Amino acid sequence: NTVMTQSPTSMFTSVGDRVTMSCKASQNVGINVGWYQQKKGQSPKRLIYWASNRDTGVPDRFTGSGSGTDFTLTISNMQAEDPAIYYCLQHNSYPWTFGGGTKLELK
Amino acid sequence: QVQLQQSGAELVKPGSSVKISCKASGYTFTSYDMHWIKQQPGNGLEWIGWIYPGNGNTKYNQKFNGKATLTADKSSSTAYLQLTSLTSEDSAVYFCAREDYYSSFPSGFAYWGQGTLVTVSS
Repeated sequence: NTVMTQSPTSMFTSVGDRVTMSCKASQNVGINVGWYQQKKGQSPKRLIYWASNRDTGVPDRFTGSGSGTDFTLTISNMQAEDPAIYYCLQHNSYPWTFGGGTKLELK
Repeated sequence: QVQLQQSGAELVKPGSSVKISCKASGYTFTSYDMHWIKQQPGNGLEWIGWIYPGNGNTKYNQKFNGKATLTADKSSSTAYLQLTSLTSEDSAVYFCAREDYYSSFPSGFAYWGQGTLVTVSS
Protein backbone atom coordinates (compact mmCIF):
# COMPACT_ATOMS: atom_id res chain seq x y z
CA ASN A 1 0.00 0.00 0.00
CA THR A 2 1.09 3.57 -0.64
CA VAL A 3 1.64 5.41 2.63
CA MET A 4 1.05 9.16 2.55
CA THR A 5 2.97 10.96 5.29
CA GLN A 6 1.96 14.51 6.10
CA SER A 7 3.99 17.05 8.02
CA PRO A 8 3.74 18.84 10.26
CA THR A 9 0.90 17.12 12.10
CA SER A 10 -0.18 20.47 13.51
CA MET A 11 0.82 24.08 13.27
CA PHE A 12 -0.16 27.45 14.61
CA THR A 13 -0.19 30.43 12.35
CA SER A 14 -1.43 34.00 12.14
CA VAL A 15 -3.69 35.81 9.71
CA GLY A 16 -1.61 36.99 6.79
CA ASP A 17 1.08 34.33 7.18
CA ARG A 18 2.33 32.10 4.39
CA VAL A 19 1.71 28.46 5.32
CA THR A 20 3.36 25.42 3.76
CA MET A 21 2.54 21.80 4.48
CA SER A 22 3.98 18.63 3.03
CA CYS A 23 2.74 15.24 1.88
CA LYS A 24 5.22 12.50 1.00
CA ALA A 25 4.25 9.29 -0.75
CA SER A 26 6.02 6.00 -0.06
CA GLN A 27 6.13 5.32 -3.81
CA ASN A 28 5.69 7.23 -7.04
CA VAL A 29 2.08 8.37 -7.43
CA GLY A 30 2.62 10.69 -10.41
CA ILE A 31 0.30 13.68 -10.04
CA ASN A 32 -2.60 11.60 -8.74
CA VAL A 33 -2.87 13.55 -5.52
CA GLY A 34 -5.55 15.83 -4.17
CA TRP A 35 -5.75 18.13 -1.17
CA TYR A 36 -8.84 18.30 1.04
CA GLN A 37 -9.87 20.73 3.73
CA GLN A 38 -12.03 19.50 6.59
CA LYS A 39 -13.49 21.92 9.09
CA LYS A 40 -14.91 20.70 12.37
CA GLY A 41 -18.18 18.83 11.94
CA GLN A 42 -18.10 19.09 8.15
CA SER A 43 -17.37 16.82 5.24
CA PRO A 44 -14.01 17.20 3.53
CA LYS A 45 -13.86 19.69 0.68
CA ARG A 46 -11.49 19.23 -2.22
CA LEU A 47 -9.22 22.21 -2.86
CA ILE A 48 -6.69 20.81 -5.32
CA TYR A 49 -6.81 17.91 -7.79
CA TRP A 50 -4.00 16.37 -9.85
CA ALA A 51 -1.45 17.91 -7.47
CA SER A 52 -1.74 21.49 -8.71
CA ASN A 53 -5.18 22.19 -10.17
CA ARG A 54 -7.38 24.42 -8.04
CA ASP A 55 -11.05 23.50 -7.81
CA THR A 56 -13.64 26.00 -9.00
CA GLY A 57 -14.34 28.59 -6.34
CA VAL A 58 -11.24 27.86 -4.28
CA PRO A 59 -9.38 31.09 -3.48
CA ASP A 60 -6.13 31.54 -5.34
CA ARG A 61 -4.22 31.79 -2.06
CA PHE A 62 -4.32 27.96 -2.09
CA THR A 63 -1.62 26.44 -4.31
CA GLY A 64 -0.65 22.82 -4.77
CA SER A 65 2.62 21.61 -6.23
CA GLY A 66 4.71 18.50 -6.66
CA SER A 67 4.84 15.19 -8.47
CA GLY A 68 6.16 11.70 -7.90
CA THR A 69 6.58 11.38 -4.14
CA ASP A 70 6.71 14.96 -2.80
CA PHE A 71 3.74 17.28 -2.67
CA THR A 72 3.11 20.65 -1.05
CA LEU A 73 0.06 22.73 -0.23
CA THR A 74 0.72 26.43 0.29
CA ILE A 75 -1.62 29.05 1.66
CA SER A 76 -0.11 32.35 0.61
CA ASN A 77 -2.06 34.66 2.92
CA MET A 78 -3.68 32.85 5.84
CA GLN A 79 -7.25 33.97 6.49
CA ALA A 80 -9.47 33.61 9.54
CA GLU A 81 -11.62 31.03 7.76
CA ASP A 82 -8.72 28.72 6.89
CA PRO A 83 -8.18 26.84 10.20
CA ALA A 84 -9.01 23.20 9.47
CA ILE A 85 -7.42 19.82 9.02
CA TYR A 86 -5.86 19.38 5.60
CA TYR A 87 -5.52 15.93 4.06
CA CYS A 88 -3.78 14.68 0.97
CA LEU A 89 -5.18 11.71 -0.96
CA GLN A 90 -3.43 9.52 -3.52
CA HIS A 91 -5.58 7.83 -6.15
CA ASN A 92 -2.78 6.35 -8.20
CA SER A 93 -3.05 2.80 -6.90
CA TYR A 94 -5.35 0.70 -4.75
CA PRO A 95 -6.10 1.02 -1.97
CA TRP A 96 -6.47 4.77 -2.26
CA THR A 97 -4.88 6.29 0.82
CA PHE A 98 -5.09 9.53 2.73
CA GLY A 99 -2.38 11.21 4.70
CA GLY A 100 -2.84 11.56 8.45
CA GLY A 101 -3.65 15.26 8.14
CA THR A 102 -2.15 18.59 9.11
CA LYS A 103 -4.15 20.53 11.68
CA LEU A 104 -3.88 24.23 11.05
CA GLU A 105 -4.82 26.61 13.86
CA LEU A 106 -4.66 30.32 14.50
CA LYS A 107 -2.44 31.68 17.24
CA GLN B 1 -26.43 20.68 -8.64
CA VAL B 2 -24.88 17.46 -7.43
CA GLN B 3 -26.10 16.38 -4.01
CA LEU B 4 -25.40 13.30 -1.92
CA GLN B 5 -27.85 12.88 0.94
CA GLN B 6 -26.94 10.27 3.52
CA SER B 7 -29.18 8.50 6.01
CA GLY B 8 -29.25 9.42 9.67
CA ALA B 9 -27.16 8.37 12.62
CA GLU B 10 -27.32 4.76 13.78
CA LEU B 11 -26.88 3.25 17.23
CA VAL B 12 -26.32 -0.48 16.86
CA LYS B 13 -25.33 -3.37 19.07
CA PRO B 14 -22.06 -5.27 18.83
CA GLY B 15 -22.31 -8.25 16.52
CA SER B 16 -25.15 -6.79 14.50
CA SER B 17 -25.20 -5.26 11.01
CA VAL B 18 -26.10 -1.85 9.68
CA LYS B 19 -26.92 -0.52 6.22
CA ILE B 20 -26.52 3.16 5.47
CA SER B 21 -27.63 4.95 2.35
CA CYS B 22 -26.49 7.74 0.08
CA LYS B 23 -29.11 9.20 -2.25
CA ALA B 24 -27.66 10.97 -5.27
CA SER B 25 -29.24 13.74 -7.30
CA GLY B 26 -28.26 16.31 -9.88
CA TYR B 27 -26.33 13.97 -12.18
CA THR B 28 -26.57 10.61 -13.96
CA PHE B 29 -26.18 8.17 -11.08
CA THR B 30 -25.10 5.26 -13.26
CA SER B 31 -22.18 7.10 -14.84
CA TYR B 32 -19.91 7.74 -11.84
CA ASP B 33 -18.20 5.56 -9.25
CA MET B 34 -19.47 6.08 -5.74
CA HIS B 35 -16.89 5.69 -3.01
CA TRP B 36 -17.16 5.22 0.75
CA ILE B 37 -14.75 6.60 3.32
CA LYS B 38 -14.50 5.91 7.06
CA GLN B 39 -13.49 8.45 9.70
CA GLN B 40 -13.12 7.29 13.29
CA PRO B 41 -13.56 9.91 16.03
CA GLY B 42 -10.55 12.20 16.09
CA ASN B 43 -8.87 10.19 13.36
CA GLY B 44 -8.10 10.56 9.72
CA LEU B 45 -9.79 9.23 6.63
CA GLU B 46 -9.77 5.66 5.37
CA TRP B 47 -10.92 4.55 1.92
CA ILE B 48 -13.33 1.60 1.97
CA GLY B 49 -14.05 1.06 -1.72
CA TRP B 50 -16.20 2.02 -4.67
CA ILE B 51 -19.17 0.80 -6.64
CA TYR B 52 -20.02 1.63 -10.24
CA PRO B 53 -23.83 1.79 -10.23
CA GLY B 54 -24.00 1.32 -13.98
CA ASN B 55 -23.11 -2.35 -13.73
CA GLY B 56 -22.62 -3.03 -10.02
CA ASN B 57 -18.87 -3.52 -10.26
CA THR B 58 -17.07 -2.99 -6.99
CA LYS B 59 -13.54 -2.54 -5.68
CA TYR B 60 -12.68 -2.86 -2.00
CA ASN B 61 -9.84 -1.97 0.26
CA GLN B 62 -8.70 -5.46 1.32
CA LYS B 63 -8.88 -4.31 4.92
CA PHE B 64 -12.67 -4.16 4.60
CA ASN B 65 -13.17 -7.52 2.87
CA GLY B 66 -15.83 -9.36 4.82
CA LYS B 67 -16.74 -6.21 6.75
CA ALA B 68 -18.23 -3.92 4.12
CA THR B 69 -20.55 -4.60 1.19
CA LEU B 70 -21.38 -1.94 -1.39
CA THR B 71 -24.58 -2.03 -3.40
CA ALA B 72 -26.57 0.42 -5.49
CA ASP B 73 -30.19 0.78 -6.58
CA LYS B 74 -30.43 2.43 -9.98
CA SER B 75 -34.18 2.98 -9.69
CA SER B 76 -33.76 5.26 -6.68
CA SER B 77 -30.24 6.56 -7.41
CA THR B 78 -29.13 5.34 -4.02
CA ALA B 79 -25.88 3.72 -2.96
CA TYR B 80 -25.59 1.59 0.15
CA LEU B 81 -22.87 0.54 2.55
CA GLN B 82 -23.56 -2.48 4.70
CA LEU B 83 -21.31 -3.27 7.64
CA THR B 84 -21.48 -6.64 9.39
CA SER B 85 -20.29 -8.20 12.67
CA LEU B 86 -19.97 -4.76 14.18
CA THR B 87 -17.47 -4.00 16.93
CA SER B 88 -16.41 -0.80 18.65
CA GLU B 89 -13.76 -0.39 15.94
CA ASP B 90 -16.58 0.20 13.46
CA SER B 91 -17.86 3.23 15.37
CA ALA B 92 -17.14 6.07 12.97
CA VAL B 93 -18.56 8.58 10.54
CA TYR B 94 -19.00 7.09 7.09
CA PHE B 95 -18.99 9.33 4.03
CA CYS B 96 -20.07 8.62 0.49
CA ALA B 97 -18.22 10.58 -2.17
CA ARG B 98 -18.57 10.70 -5.93
CA GLU B 99 -15.50 10.17 -8.02
CA ASP B 100 -14.75 12.90 -10.52
CA TYR B 101 -13.05 12.78 -13.90
CA TYR B 102 -11.24 15.23 -16.10
CA SER B 103 -10.49 14.15 -19.66
CA SER B 104 -11.64 10.67 -18.57
CA PHE B 105 -8.98 10.44 -15.84
CA PRO B 106 -9.98 10.12 -12.17
CA SER B 107 -9.39 13.19 -10.07
CA GLY B 108 -10.65 12.28 -6.62
CA PHE B 109 -13.79 13.52 -4.88
CA ALA B 110 -15.44 16.84 -5.63
CA TYR B 111 -18.72 15.82 -3.99
CA TRP B 112 -19.27 14.35 -0.55
CA GLY B 113 -22.27 13.35 1.49
CA GLN B 114 -22.74 14.91 4.91
CA GLY B 115 -21.64 11.75 6.69
CA THR B 116 -23.46 9.14 8.76
CA LEU B 117 -22.40 8.47 12.34
CA VAL B 118 -22.48 4.82 13.32
CA THR B 119 -22.12 4.10 17.03
CA VAL B 120 -21.61 0.51 18.13
CA SER B 121 -22.59 0.07 21.75
CA SER B 122 -24.48 -2.37 23.92
